[in-house]
Amino acid sequence: QKEVEQNSGPLSVPEGAIASLNCTYSDRVSQSFFWYRQYSGKSPELIMSIYSNGDKEDGRFTAQLNKASQYVSLLIRDSQPSDSATYLCAAMDSNYQLIWGAGTKLIIKP
Amino acid sequence: KAGVTQTPRYLIKTRGQQVTLSCSPISGHRSVSWYQQTPGQGLQFLFEYFSETQRNKGNFPGRFSGRQFSNSRSEMNVSTLELGDSALYLCASSLERFYEQYFGPGTRLTVT
Repeated sequence: QKEVEQNSGPLSVPEGAIASLNCTYSDRVSQSFFWYRQYSGKSPELIMSIYSNGDKEDGRFTAQLNKASQYVSLLIRDSQPSDSATYLCAAMDSNYQLIWGAGTKLIIKP
Repeated sequence: KAGVTQTPRYLIKTRGQQVTLSCSPISGHRSVSWYQQTPGQGLQFLFEYFSETQRNKGNFPGRFSGRQFSNSRSEMNVSTLELGDSALYLCASSLERFYEQYFGPGTRLTVT
């Protein structure tokens, strides 16, 4: 099992709908969790970090962390075509190294 | 506050040459991490520097090296370039080792 796993997609969502992105992780990476967005040809951009169980909201984005089930998710409400990108999930291990998922490609269809 | 800057942005080198890439972190950030990104391999961790010391190292050959200066600026060096080293090299900085990382625009290296 990979330490951080994401479905590679593509995940296709109609404009205005909720996009749900998921990430599971192993016992070795259970410190802090991060979601990044990466447009094609650009560098990753931090969307949100989450450290404790529950939900964290920032504008149209909500991160959810469930440590018992070892998953973290990102919900994007009112999806826009500009949200089309690859979403990377990362988890920090006990050595403060970020372990990365392979990313989920999200496509928002107008 | 200015973001992370990387120079050069684009580079073309010949196999066997060496290259040095530079990264200036966000002001006040003390940790700098380097990543290699290729279409097939995703984000691969190279190394992390904090207080001028390498704290973590990824699974890359010794041809890849780096250093950090007292002002937190960092450089990475790749010697004896191979075709497979063609990639986007990303630098990310964070305030402390356990905080969020912020990425620079990257240096796109092409080895011919």
